[in-house]
Amino acid sequence: GQQLNQSPQSMFIQEGEDVSMNCTSSSIFNTWLWYKQDPGEGPVLLIALYKAGELTSNGRLTAQFGITRKDSFLNISASIPSDVGIYFCAGHDQTGANNLFFGTGTRLTVIP
Amino acid sequence: DTEVTQTPKHLVMGMTNKKSLKCEQHMGHRAMYWYKQKAKKPPELMFVYSYEKLSINESVPSRFSPECPNSSLLNLHLHALQPEDSALYLCASSQDKIMGAFFGQGTRLTVV
Repeated sequence: GQQLNQSPQSMFIQEGEDVSMNCTSSSIFNTWLWYKQDPGEGPVLLIALYKAGELTSNGRLTAQFGITRKDSFLNISASIPSDVGIYFCAGHDQTGANNLFFGTGTRLTVIP
Repeated sequence: DTEVTQTPKHLVMGMTNKKSLKCEQHMGHRAMYWYKQKAKKPPELMFVYSYEKLSINESVPSRFSPECPNSSLLNLHLHALQPEDSALYLCASSQDKIMGAFFGQGTRLTVV
């Protein structure tokens, strides 16, 4: 399957700080998605991006679909303790199939 | 109804048992997925059904057998599993092949 590299692998931040993480692929993607997963639960869709250059917000979260269509980033502003979890990028590639590939994940810890 | 429902939530089975995991969605989505997730790893795609037809099988062993009885239901039949098959099994659905996928809460499977 496709390789999606996500960075950083983990982050420890103080409550109130902003967070930025990104995801890169070796090939062009048609869709970029960002998910948050809590332990023992399924991933929850945070933001979906469908066009190159698209910038979309969901509350304190902002994500962008890279112009090259090979990357995406997610920003979280003014972090709070409940932001703790693992954040995954995911995307559909150009094959036209329904493959949805996941990045390696960023584990976020927020220190109160 | 924006939920993907998976049953059971937990399952313990012996290596000689036959069991099934079930997934249901009533969002009218035409693509449904099975993923396997090991601890601290991203979800790995196993199977994709598009319009009730199996469109992708990511080289999954035959001891896992998917079934899509209708557009709302997805099953995963398990037979002669190994202890290394213990994992969180996630079901997801999406409107079509480029839209964001919604996940169920998963079935925590333990093979003893």
